[in-house]
Amino acid sequence: DAGVIQSPRHEVTEMGQEVTLRCKPISGHNSLFWYRQTMMRGLELLIYFNNNVPIDDSGMPEDRFSAKMPNASFSTLKIQPSEPRDSAVYFCASSPGQPSSYNSPLHFGNGTRLTVT
Amino acid sequence: DAKTTQPNSMESNEEEPVHLPCNHSTISGTDYIHWYRQLPSQGPEYVIHGLTSNVNNRMASLAIAEDRKSSTLILHRATLRDAAVYYCIPAPSNFGNEKLTFGTGTRLTIIP
Repeated sequence: DAGVIQSPRHEVTEMGQEVTLRCKPISGHNSLFWYRQTMMRGLELLIYFNNNVPIDDSGMPEDRFSAKMPNASFSTLKIQPSEPRDSAVYFCASSPGQPSSYNSPLHFGNGTRLTVT
Repeated sequence: DAKTTQPNSMESNEEEPVHLPCNHSTISGTDYIHWYRQLPSQGPEYVIHGLTSNVNNRMASLAIAEDRKSSTLILHRATLRDAAVYYCIPAPSNFGNEKLTFGTGTRLTIIP
């Protein structure tokens, strides 16, 4: 079991550029979550998918953020255009459980540290 | 959302037991109590969860108060690798209506 795989581990970009973060969930998991962590706000849920369908994106900060899950083994989080305030660590997590009866643990990746200058 | 209160920080000596408290007085009857921890430069890691009964696994034990308004995560013999931020999270049974809230957690320092 390779765990949740995120890429890249670090991303440094200039304001205004497009940033794409990638996630490969654990095989067989049917729920996928994107979180953002900053010192000021802690861990925040941005969006989650169940069976590749976005269920709740109310945590996405604004229209500059978008997430897709084209198949069960891949998801992307895109920021376009990026801004310095987007600097944070972005985590992807997957779970074998159904969101409507949440008692299955989340498995987190090691995150992507994004720095926007 | 159920609100949680945890100490900001705790210290413990290596090889001693550690009791990490969490108050969740507004928890609903169907919320599970989850504990996660986050080691430096890593993503959060699941530790244990329970509903009403005390629970044990290879990592820790979870003691849940009879009224479910508080719980305690017990590390039986702390090692340096247990130094992390520990989060107590009441998990809603209907995930569609509520979001998981990690809070600020308890930063556990292990003294060699």
